[in-house]
Amino acid sequence: DTGVSQDPRHKITKRGQNVTFRCDPISEHNRLYWYRQTLGQGPEFLTYFQNEAQLEKSRLLSDRFSAERPKGSFSTLEIQRTEQGDSAMYLCASKSSGGRTDTQYFGPGTRLTVL
Amino acid sequence: AQSVTQLDSQVPVFEEAPVELRCNYSSSVSVYLFWYVQYPNQGLQLLLKYLSGSTLVESINGFEAEFNKSQTSFHLRKPSVHISDTAEYFCAVGGGADGLTFGKGTHLIIQP
Repeated sequence: DTGVSQDPRHKITKRGQNVTFRCDPISEHNRLYWYRQTLGQGPEFLTYFQNEAQLEKSRLLSDRFSAERPKGSFSTLEIQRTEQGDSAMYLCASKSSGGRTDTQYFGPGTRLTVL
Repeated sequence: AQSVTQLDSQVPVFEEAPVELRCNYSSSVSVYLFWYVQYPNQGLQLLLKYLSGSTLVESINGFEAEFNKSQTSFHLRKPSVHISDTAEYFCAVGGGADGLTFGKGTHLIIQP
C-alpha cells in the first residue's frame, strides 16, 4: 500500500490557462473522489468515480471543471480558463467499495495558484 | 442535505491539559461520522470514525469521540494533550458512496 499520490504537488499558472492534475489511488480501491480546499475551510466535495464511471458530478463548481478516470485507475481533474478564484488545494481520495471500513484515504493534494 | 458545524476555529490549550473540540452535524439520513487530522504540511489522515455500534470511539493516540444522536454531536476529546497534537482537526459526515461533508476545521494550538 503506497497510498494515494497526486501530481504535481504545486502548480502556478496565469489566469486563462488550462491546468490538469493527476491522482493515483490506492491500487485496490475502486472509488475515487476529488475535493477542493480553500484557505480556512474544510474540503469541499466535487465529484467521484466508481471504477471508470463518474457517478456524481453535479457538485463540480462550473462547466470549466471536468474529471476523467478512463481505465478505472488514475484520474485527472482539468480546469479550463483558470480564474484567480480557482486558487486552492485540490485533494484526491480513494476507498474500496467492499466491506464496512468506509474510510477515504487522502492524497497530499495539489496546490494551485492562479496569478 | 448534510452539514457540519465546528464552532471553534482555534483552541489554545496548555500541554498536558484536557481538550474538547466540538462538532455538530445535520443530516436527513443515517450518518457516518469522522474526525480527520491535518498536521502541518501533510495530508488529511483519519483519526477515528463512527459507523454504528458503540457510541464511544477511540483512536490509537489517545483521542476519543462520542456520538450523541439526540444532540447531533460528535465532539472530540483527549484527556492530556502533547505538543505533537498541534494540527488542524476536521469533523466530517457522510459515508457510503458519496463524498464527505466537512466542517471548517479547528486549529488546535498546544502551548508549552
